[in-house]
Amino acid sequence: QQQVKQSPQSLIVQKGGISIINCAYENTAFDYFPWYQQFPGKGPALLIAIRPDVSEKKEGRFTISFNKSAKQFSLHIMDSQPGDSATYFCAVGDSGGYQKVTFGTGTKLQVIP
Amino acid sequence: GAVVSQHPSRVICKSGTSVKIECRSLDFQATTMFWYRQFPKQSLMLMATSNEGSKATYEQGVEKDKFLINHASLTLSTLTVTSAHPEDSSFYICSATWGGGEQFFGPGTRLTVL
Repeated sequence: QQQVKQSPQSLIVQKGGISIINCAYENTAFDYFPWYQQFPGKGPALLIAIRPDVSEKKEGRFTISFNKSAKQFSLHIMDSQPGDSATYFCAVGDSGGYQKVTFGTGTKLQVIP
Repeated sequence: GAVVSQHPSRVICKSGTSVKIECRSLDFQATTMFWYRQFPKQSLMLMATSNEGSKATYEQGVEKDKFLINHASLTLSTLTVTSAHPEDSSFYICSATWGGGEQFFGPGTRLTVL
C-alpha cells in the first residue's frame, strides 16, 4: 500500500520557469510533510517542510502549498535554475514515530538553459 | 545543519561475505538513527529504526538476521549485511535525529556484491 503518491515522475523546465511537483496521501494521522532534494550518488537533504496547521510555507525560491481537506501538498520552485536539477522526494510522517517518514516515488527534475 | 557521515562510501565484496557500514553523527547526539535502502532510480525504503541502547525495529519484509543493526552509542550506528548476495547490491543511506526532530541524512554507501 503506497502511503504517498508523487507526480510527475519526471519534469523538464526551462531556466527561469516554475517547477511544480505534487503529492497526495491517505492517512490523516500524518502531520509532517517534508520535501527532500537528492543529487546523484548522494544522500537526500531536507529542502523545506510543513505542518498541517498552515497552508503555505515559503523559503527563498521554494514554496510548499498544503491542502489538508484534499490531502495533497505540492512543491513549487520559482525561477528554476540548472543547479536545481536533481531528484525531489516528498515524504509523510507522524510525530508519534520519532519523525519516521515514508518517501514518495520521486520526481527527476531537469532544468534546461 | 548537522552532519552525518557514512563509511565506507562504496564497497565491493564477494557473494557470501559480510559487510559492515558505519553511520556517525559528527556534531550532535543522535537518539534515533534510521537505515534506508535505495535501488537505482527508485525511492528510499526504510529498513529499520534504531534507538541508542535498544534493539532495532525492522520494517515488514526486512530480515533482521541478515541486516544486523547496532546502535551502541549516541553517535554511531552500524549496519552489517551478513552473507551478502548480488540482490543485496544497493545504495544504503542512514539518517540521524534527536528528540524526534528533523532527520539528517548521510551521504550513502554504494554496496556491490559480486
